[in-house]
Amino acid sequence: EDQVTQSPEALRLQEGESSSLNCSYTVSGLRGLFWYRQDPGKGPEFLFTLYSAGEEKEKERLKATLTKKESFLHITAPKPEDSATYLCAVQERGYNKLIFGAGTRLAVHP
Amino acid sequence: DAGITQSPRYKITETGRQVTLMCHQTWSHSYMFWYRQDLGHGLRLIYYSAAADITDKGEVPDGYVVSRSKTENFPLTLESATRSQTSVYFCASTQGPGNTIYFGEGSWLTVV
Repeated sequence: EDQVTQSPEALRLQEGESSSLNCSYTVSGLRGLFWYRQDPGKGPEFLFTLYSAGEEKEKERLKATLTKKESFLHITAPKPEDSATYLCAVQERGYNKLIFGAGTRLAVHP
Repeated sequence: DAGITQSPRYKITETGRQVTLMCHQTWSHSYMFWYRQDLGHGLRLIYYSAAADITDKGEVPDGYVVSRSKTENFPLTLESATRSQTSVYFCASTQGPGNTIYFGEGSWLTVV
């Protein structure tokens, strides 16, 4: 059965304190791994899709990496506006639906 | 560019009533999805559709009905609402496998 586990559940950082969020997954054949950001009261907002091990993508202070068993979302010098819940999801080959992890709630304090 | 719109955004209903949540997308995406989000469970797939008149069950379909007579619309109906269906419901769409899946802003449903 496909599974996605995110850690930690919650993370508190000081502004400028870099860190990483983890997403470990079990899937028969990975079509893609997706990262989303979700602000309170809003729908998930797309950040990245990674398709193969070794792939990396960057957007502003965020960098996503992928291995055969996990993905990391690295946040460099975060700012308070980076505070949100970050969701990871996998898409299995042959299917179009996403299986989501429970998310990591990130709080960045000035 | 309207994207995906959901209505109503907020709804309070009574146990046993029928409720329909609407979802409309302007991109002509083939695939559409309904997810529910609950504390402790994350986002769980209720139903999805690969094209007009093609729908399939997701992880938690019981108590829900969907239809897709037009590509741009994907309504979700709770035939007889229960308190366990109190949740936030998200509609999503994508052009096809491997493409970005975009989400609506959500519909907050409370069943009393």
